[in-house]
Amino acid sequence: GENVEQHPSTLSVQEGDSAVIKCTYSDSASNYFPWYKQELGKGPQLIIDIRSNVGEKKDQRIAVTLNKTAKHFSLHITETQPEDSAVYFCAATPPGYGKLTFGQGTILTVHP
Amino acid sequence: GAVVSQHPSRVICKSGTSVKIECRSLDFQATTMFWYRQFPKQSLMLMATSNEGSKATYEQGVEKDKFLINHASLTLSTLTVTSAHPEDSSFYICSARAGVGTDTQYFGPGTRLTVL
Repeated sequence: GENVEQHPSTLSVQEGDSAVIKCTYSDSASNYFPWYKQELGKGPQLIIDIRSNVGEKKDQRIAVTLNKTAKHFSLHITETQPEDSAVYFCAATPPGYGKLTFGQGTILTVHP
Repeated sequence: GAVVSQHPSRVICKSGTSVKIECRSLDFQATTMFWYRQFPKQSLMLMATSNEGSKATYEQGVEKDKFLINHASLTLSTLTVTSAHPEDSSFYICSARAGVGTDTQYFGPGTRLTVL
């Protein structure tokens, strides 16, 4: 089955800096890669996703890049703000609308 | 759009009792819902996939007789933890696919279960 590795496990940045979180996946057939933000005591919130036919997608301060050859994808947050502090999870899923396999999560802390 | 609700948000029960958690898609029909379990500071672990009108598919190691799942309508799935024990205490989260032919899953706010 699919295996997703996520790094780093913790990330601390100053407000205004950029943050990058990276994930690698094992199943070359996977074609959908969402990113979720989870605040303490709440359910995950979808913040951006990308499909395998696209190399990059951007939504305001958030962007995701995908390298299918290397089987890795990354989340980029620019101009970070304290409210960006949360746990971020990447995930991957194979074709056929299958189940999501999650990475281990990254605790992002943005210091004012 | 794409809002998923869960009820209750938190529940405390005595060991040996059963607890039911509801998951609803509020503004879309969800033919498939998923149930996850999350321990503190850990990732989400898929427990089962719930398809409307059919039996749930459980992940390896998840006891189907202990975690009963019912998906009776396109907007409601329930998870019943039977004969709960302290080790069942966890954060249970459901998600729903946004529609037929899509990959996107939207998550509920989660239910904190504490078994005394």
